[in-house]
Amino acid sequence: GQQLNQSPQSMFIQEGEDVSMNCTSSSIFNTWLWYKQDPGEGPVLLIALYKAGELTSNGRLTAQFGITRKDSFLNISASIPSDVGIYFCAGLNAGNNRKLIWGLGTSLAVNP
Amino acid sequence: DTEVTQTPKHLVMGMTNKKSLKCEQHMGHRAMYWYKQKAKKPPELMFVYSYEKLSINESVPSRFSPECPNSSLLNLHLHALQPEDSALYLCASSQQGPHSGELFFGEGSRLTVL
Repeated sequence: GQQLNQSPQSMFIQEGEDVSMNCTSSSIFNTWLWYKQDPGEGPVLLIALYKAGELTSNGRLTAQFGITRKDSFLNISASIPSDVGIYFCAGLNAGNNRKLIWGLGTSLAVNP
Repeated sequence: DTEVTQTPKHLVMGMTNKKSLKCEQHMGHRAMYWYKQKAKKPPELMFVYSYEKLSINESVPSRFSPECPNSSLLNLHLHALQPEDSALYLCASSQQGPHSGELFFGEGSRLTVL
């Protein structure tokens, strides 16, 4: 089945640093989404991307839908302690039986 | 109201018990989902309801039995579970139907099976 390769698996950074993570697939997706999950909580949608090449921002977060439709990246600028959590990419494939495929997550730790 | 509410937050049960997890949303969303999540893994889809009808069952064992009493409520009935079923069970809803990626998740019910 379809799989998403998400990297890096984990990151440990200093407060104020910028962060970049990405997701790649061997097949095409029509939609890319980025979720964040805090400990003890459910995932929260950060950004949804619907068009190849689309670049969308949400505060300090910026995500892009790759032009090949097989990848996406998420950048976080000027990280702060509350950015800690697990970031999941997810892709929605095409067709009548569209299915949301999840990456394995990037665990982010921020040192104040 | 933009919340998905799940109860209980924590549940411990024996392998012979029968229990239920409950989920409620008042956003008027037409699709509701059950996901299972193991530690440090992504959520795994179990069931999807669309307009109160079961739309997707991801080959989930029959010891998990979903129920959608109305458009705002979703239950997951549990019976004869195994210790490996211990996980975080997440409920979600979406406005755009059963094949949407834009999901609103609850905080989850942490289940431990002894």
